[in-house]
Amino acid sequence: KAGVTQTPRYLIKTRGQQVTLSCSPISGHRSVSWYQQTPGQGLQFLFEYFSETQRNKGNFPGRFSGRQFSNSRSEMNVSTLELGDSALYLCASSRQGSANEKLFFGSGTQLSVL
Amino acid sequence: DQQVKQNSPSLSVQEGRISILNCDYTNSMFDYFLWYKKYPAEGPTFLISISSIKDKNEDGRFTVFLNKSAKHLSLHIVPSQPGDSAVYFCAASDISGGGADGLTFGKGTHLIIQP
Repeated sequence: KAGVTQTPRYLIKTRGQQVTLSCSPISGHRSVSWYQQTPGQGLQFLFEYFSETQRNKGNFPGRFSGRQFSNSRSEMNVSTLELGDSALYLCASSRQGSANEKLFFGSGTQLSVL
Repeated sequence: DQQVKQNSPSLSVQEGRISILNCDYTNSMFDYFLWYKKYPAEGPTFLISISSIKDKNEDGRFTVFLNKSAKHLSLHIVPSQPGDSAVYFCAASDISGGGADGLTFGKGTHLIIQP
């Protein structure tokens, strides 16, 4: 069974640009969550999607958005990039997105904003 | 405002000895706790979890202890092996509240197993 796949692995952008990251969950998993990992803040919850609907959202500005498609694949978009958006963005999937379900993480997309 | 704290950024332990990783939390609504392990260039992988109705959960070499009154949990690895060298994240969730805030993670502890 294939794991969670994130593309691209690395991305370099400049301030003010926008970026789209992609995540394919494990087959049969309907919940996709996104996390931002930075050295200073650890992993922080961005949002969670289930059946194409955003169910939960973390404390991030509106520049961070996402969506989920009918095949459960998800994309995350960051507009008007800032230097502080440089981070590892991790996607995780689970069957139902229940709070006590373990998450399966992808390897992440390393975003560098110059 | 960090709700889950791992106060040791790194920990060095000799192979064969016990590794003890600590985690403190401040939010009394948290009722489910997990440990994830992360190797460089890979995503975190689930290690072990514990519900607040228990004070101990064991899985092979890994044991998690929960002290609710102290809002403290610890992960014990016995015996420590070279492959255990990784970053360990403590995470917490509010199941009874539906987990709407996702998992709250600590900043991680880098465990180094010395041969």
